[in-house]
Amino acid sequence: TQLLEQSPQFLSIQEGENLTVYCNSSSVFSSLQWYRQEPGEGPVLLVTVVTGGEVKKLKRLTFQFGDARKDSSLHITAAQPGDTGLYLCAGPDRGATNKLIFGTGTLLAVQP
Amino acid sequence: DTGVSQNPRHKITKRGQNVTFRCDPISEHNRLYWYRQTLGQGPEFLTYFQNEAQLEKSRLLSDRFSAERPKGSFSTLEIQRTEQGDSAMYLCASSFFTSYEQYFGPGTRLTVT
Repeated sequence: TQLLEQSPQFLSIQEGENLTVYCNSSSVFSSLQWYRQEPGEGPVLLVTVVTGGEVKKLKRLTFQFGDARKDSSLHITAAQPGDTGLYLCAGPDRGATNKLIFGTGTLLAVQP
Repeated sequence: DTGVSQNPRHKITKRGQNVTFRCDPISEHNRLYWYRQTLGQGPEFLTYFQNEAQLEKSRLLSDRFSAERPKGSFSTLEIQRTEQGDSAMYLCASSFFTSYEQYFGPGTRLTVT
């Protein structure tokens, strides 16, 4: 069974601080995706990482895929209240459907 | 707007009633997925369509749940004889056949009283 564990589960920080969210598995994933979800809404795709060791930047967000493709991290620089939300990592199941296996989620609150 | 849409956004029903949700995927996407999400958890896979064919169903999907995707366009998810444990956010996502990237709708929040 492929599982994705995220840490921390909850994070409450002040505006301007930096933070890192981790997504770990004992299984290899062909790719990992990061989503952000706001209350009452569906997840919004932020990025997909495919190659081991890959680093992608999206403004103040930096995503890294581990060399062995078993883990990923999301680093936010100078967090803003608009970054508040549930951050989810997800990877495709090994089967043919590409159904996503989601991580346990990290709930981020950025206080102004 | 050509994103994924879901209706209704919220549904409150009494235990034992039937409910039906609709999902309209991105028009070019031939894969459509249903997920269920409970508070504080990540979404869990329920079922998947490629065009009009339902190719996989999770063990989470009891006999009270049925999904269709006639003509390979929109999809419906019906829950019969709802139970309080069915209360959750029901999410629909779509993708191209060749892509791992799924795009989600806003979800339908179901509350069973």
